[in-house]
Formats: sequence, structure tokens, C-alpha cells
Amino acid sequence: NAGVTQTPKFQVLKTGQSMTLQCAQDMNHEYMSWYRQDPGMGLRLIHYSVGAGITDQGEVPNGYNVSRSTTEDFPLRLLSAAPSQTSVYFCASSPLGGVGYTFGSGTRLTVV
Amino acid sequence: AQSVAQPEDQVNVAEGNPLTVKCTYSVSGNPYLFWYVQYPNRGLQFLLKYITGDNLVKGSYGFEAEFNKSQTSFHLKKPSALVSDSALYFCAVRVGRDDKIIFGKGTRLHILP
Repeated sequence: NAGVTQTPKFQVLKTGQSMTLQCAQDMNHEYMSWYRQDPGMGLRLIHYSVGAGITDQGEVPNGYNVSRSTTEDFPLRLLSAAPSQTSVYFCASSPLGGVGYTFGSGTRLTVV
Repeated sequence: AQSVAQPEDQVNVAEGNPLTVKCTYSVSGNPYLFWYVQYPNRGLQFLLKYITGDNLVKGSYGFEAEFNKSQTSFHLKKPSALVSDSALYFCAVRVGRDDKIIFGKGTRLHILP
């Protein structure tokens, strides 16, 4: 049982480049979300999904897109990377009902 | 506005002493509350949660948390700290009806040998 798998673990982008951060879970969880972690800011919610075909915005959605075509996958797309998007990104999943999240190990992204 | 606050950026405790990491919240309705721990260069790990029932919740690694509705608090506690407890601790609360969870800014716990 792999849990929540994030790829890549590290990435360096140039300003203006686009990329997709991958997130996959094998627990059949309905709920999935993306957070970014910045020093002194805690975790801030970017986007979330309560099931395949359903997504919604969190606190800091600008510059990011998501889609949920399957229960297992929830990729996060950076459309045109900016230095302000330098951060550690975490994907999380849970069953519906507010029982708590399982987190991936994170992707450390640097935009230069 | 719904929020969760961790008033201390850092807490220092001597090994063997009791520890408390503070958390207060503001949500409408009955709160779902959580504590997570993050070790260096790792993802967040679930420690414990309060949804309903007994106000004292026991979790992983000997941690417990006390839900206080009148003070809107959910402080994390441990009777005897270990050096290995040194980590970043996050309090979190579910907001709304769609399982969205918001996190506090985190408290760095240092256990001094």
C-alpha cells in the first residue's frame, strides 16, 4: 500500500516555464488537495477535490490549475512559473467525512 | 472568518518535562480538530484528532490533546518529553462541509537534552 505518491521530489524551473506536479493515491480516497508550505506561513490550501470531475479553489489558487479525471490522480499544473511559487508542495488525501489526511512526501520546487 | 492559531512560533522544553503546544480555533458549528507533526524534510504525519466525545484525545507517540469548547482551544500535550519529539507541529481544523482543512502556521518544538 503506497499511500500518497508525489513526483518529482525536487524540481528547478526557469521563470515562465510550465510543469505538472503529480500526485497519486491508492487508497480510493474521494478527497484530495494540494498545499504549499512556506517558512512562517504554515500550509496554505491551493486547490482541492471531493471526487472525480469536481475541483475547487483554496486560499491561494492563482497561477495553478488542477483536474481530477480519476479518483487516484490529482495533478497540479503551474502555467507560467514565477519566483513567488518557490515552495514545498504537498498533496494530501482522505476519505470523505473529515477523518484526517494522509500526506505525500512533498515536492521541493525552485523557480529561478 | 474561520481560522486556527498557534500563538507560539517555538517552544523549548527540557527532556523529561511535560510539554504543551497551544492551539486555538474559530469555526462555525462543531469543530473537527487535528494535530500533525513534521520531521525535517518529511511530509506531515497524523498525530490525533477530535471529532466528538471525550474532551481528552490520545494519539500517536504518547501525545494527547484536550478539547476545550469554552476557550475554543485544542492544546497538544505530553507528560514527559523526548529529544526525538523535536519537530514542527501543526494544528488544523476542518472548515465547511466539504472536508477542507486549514492549518495553523506551526510551532517548532525543541526538546533539550
